[in-house]
Amino acid sequence: EADIYQTPRYLVIGTGKKITLECSQTMGHDKMYWYQQDPGMELHLIHYSYGVNSTEKGDLSSESTVSRIRTEHFPLTLESARPSHTSQYLCASSEGTGAYEQYFGPGTRLTVT
Amino acid sequence: AQSVTQLGSHVSVSEGALVLLRCNYSSSVPPYLFWYVQYPNQGLQLLLKYTTGATLVKGINGFEAEFKKSETSFHLTKPSAHMSDAAEYFCAVSEGGGADGLTFGKGTHLIIQP
Repeated sequence: EADIYQTPRYLVIGTGKKITLECSQTMGHDKMYWYQQDPGMELHLIHYSYGVNSTEKGDLSSESTVSRIRTEHFPLTLESARPSHTSQYLCASSEGTGAYEQYFGPGTRLTVT
Repeated sequence: AQSVTQLGSHVSVSEGALVLLRCNYSSSVPPYLFWYVQYPNQGLQLLLKYTTGATLVKGINGFEAEFKKSETSFHLTKPSAHMSDAAEYFCAVSEGGGADGLTFGKGTHLIIQP
């Protein structure tokens, strides 16, 4: 069973606030990912990591930043939240790339007012 | 560049009827193909995947999919729909190589009529 956790599950916050979405996995996976998903739309990759101290931007441009100081932890930060950041954010991890399955967390639904 | 097209944003079937969710992909190299299911307010769960070998792939909950290279398709089927199958289904493609994530289709919302 996949063990990947995201907190908070739901967040409503005002414009201009700094927020950090947490993602942790206990599977020892090197590869981790952040996807953004708008209602009724596909998932778009916004960040990924090969391992500790590795971060890369994904296909969809995002104002968020990520860090990977520990294998199990891949937090996403928005320095100044805006209403356009309202979306669902999904974290995933995998043992490898290509044919390897990605395991997804339950997601964080962010609303910026 | 890879891409995924899912025909039909909503598919409605009667309980007990055949489920068919369509997925076509484009890829410059032999792809790895996935179907994920997403229940409300949850993350994605893998249903099945095709990597190499047998083109008919069986997954969880009675679902299966067939990789057809000539048609660039990977349609998902289930012989008999159950009410618990109501969810959002996503087809995804990976070209392997680096750590790039999956490319997803827009998803198909499956509705089961009693």
